[in-house]
Amino acid sequence: GIQVEQSPPDLILQEGANSTLRCNFSDSVNNLQWFHQNPWGQLINLFYIPSGTKQNGRLSATTVATERYSLLYISSSQTTDSGVYFCAVRNAGNMLTFGGGTRLMVKP
Amino acid sequence: ETGVTQSPTHLIKTRGQQVTLRCSSQSGHNTVSWYQQALGQGPQFIFQYYREEENGRGNFPPRFSGLQFPNYSSELNVNALELDDSALYLCASSLSTGPGELFFGEGSRLTVL
Repeated sequence: GIQVEQSPPDLILQEGANSTLRCNFSDSVNNLQWFHQNPWGQLINLFYIPSGTKQNGRLSATTVATERYSLLYISSSQTTDSGVYFCAVRNAGNMLTFGGGTRLMVKP
Repeated sequence: ETGVTQSPTHLIKTRGQQVTLRCSSQSGHNTVSWYQQALGQGPQFIFQYYREEENGRGNFPPRFSGLQFPNYSSELNVNALELDDSALYLCASSLSTGPGELFFGEGSRLTVL
C-alpha cells in the first residue's frame, strides 16, 4: 500500500514564528487532506488539496503531485495552533492512509 | 463543526465484552467510513459503507463489523474485546466513494480493561 511520511515528527515554536510541515507519499494520489487534531481528538479539516496551492488565513498548503509531496505552512503561529497535524492520502480504493503526524507545540 | 456526530464519546468495557459505536453522517453524505486511532499514532482504516453495504475493509479481523442504515447513519460493532482495542474510534462521512473530502466526527474513546 501507499506509504506516507511526515516531517518533522515534533516541532516547538515560539509564538509568532513561521513553520513548514512536510508530507511525502510513495505513489500518485487522488485525494490529499491536511488535518489538525485538537486535544479532544477531533480531526479538523484544514485543506483538501490533491494538487496546487490553497490559502486560508495564516495557513497555506501546496501539493506537488508529480513529485509526491505536500507542504503545510503556518505563519505567525499562535498557542491555539498547538496539536497534531496529519496528512492523509488516497490513491485508489476507499481508504485514507495517514502519516504519523507532526506534533506542534507553540509557546507563549 | 462538521455535522458528523458520534456516540458515546467515552466508554469503558472489560475484555471479552462487546461494544457498539454509532455515527450520524453529515447531511447529504451517503458514504461512511470508520477509523481506529491508537494512542500516539495516525488513524487506521477499518472499513467503509456505501448504500448499506461494506465497500472496502482494512486489516482488521471479522470481530470488527458494521452496519449502515437507510438514513446513512452507521454502527461499528466490536466483539470479544481485547486490551489492544483501546483506542479512539473515528467516523468519517463523504459525498461518495470516489475522490473527495472526508469529514470526521469527534470520536468515541474506548478503554478496555
